[in-house]
Amino acid sequence: NAGVTQTPKFQVLKTGQSMTLQCAQDMNHEYMSWYRQDPGMGLRLIHYSVGAGITDQGEVPNGYNVSRSTTEDFPLRLLSAAPSQTSVYFCASSLRGQKAFFGQGTRLTVV
Amino acid sequence: QQQVKQSPQSLIVQKGGIPIINCAYENTAFDYFPWYQQFPGKGPALLIAIRPDVSEKKEGRFTISFNKSAKQFSLHIMDSQPGDSATYFCAAARGGNQFYFGTGTSLTVIP
Repeated sequence: NAGVTQTPKFQVLKTGQSMTLQCAQDMNHEYMSWYRQDPGMGLRLIHYSVGAGITDQGEVPNGYNVSRSTTEDFPLRLLSAAPSQTSVYFCASSLRGQKAFFGQGTRLTVV
Repeated sequence: QQQVKQSPQSLIVQKGGIPIINCAYENTAFDYFPWYQQFPGKGPALLIAIRPDVSEKKEGRFTISFNKSAKQFSLHIMDSQPGDSATYFCAAARGGNQFYFGTGTSLTVIP
């Protein structure tokens, strides 16, 4: 049972480049979400999904896109990376009202 | 606007001491209050959680106290150990998926 798997673990981008952060879970969880973690800011919700085909915005959605075509996968897309998007990104999954499981994180640096 | 306010930012205790971390929230729609523990380079992991119909919950050395009227909740760690040194986040959620995190407390337990 792998839980929540995020790839890549580390990434360096140049300003204006695009990339996709991958997130996959094998627990058949209906809920999945993306957070960014910055020093002194805690974790802030970017986007979330309550099931395949359904997504919604969180606290800090600007500059990020998501889609959920399957229960297992919830990729996060940066269309045009900016230095302000330098952060550690965490994906999480859960059943409704239950414990959220987090991935190991992706450390992204935009130069 | 921070949905969940957490204090203190950092805490140093001697082994065997009882660190207390406090959180406060405003939104009465929150219905799930977890605490997460995070070690460097790892994703957050659920420690203990409480729902607003309960005033206290204990799991091992960890206790959550919940005051619904004051919209506050706190984490107590009994008989703290050096292995408890980590960053602790409180969170509040509604609808089972939209988690709002505090800014974190860095705990150091001195042997």
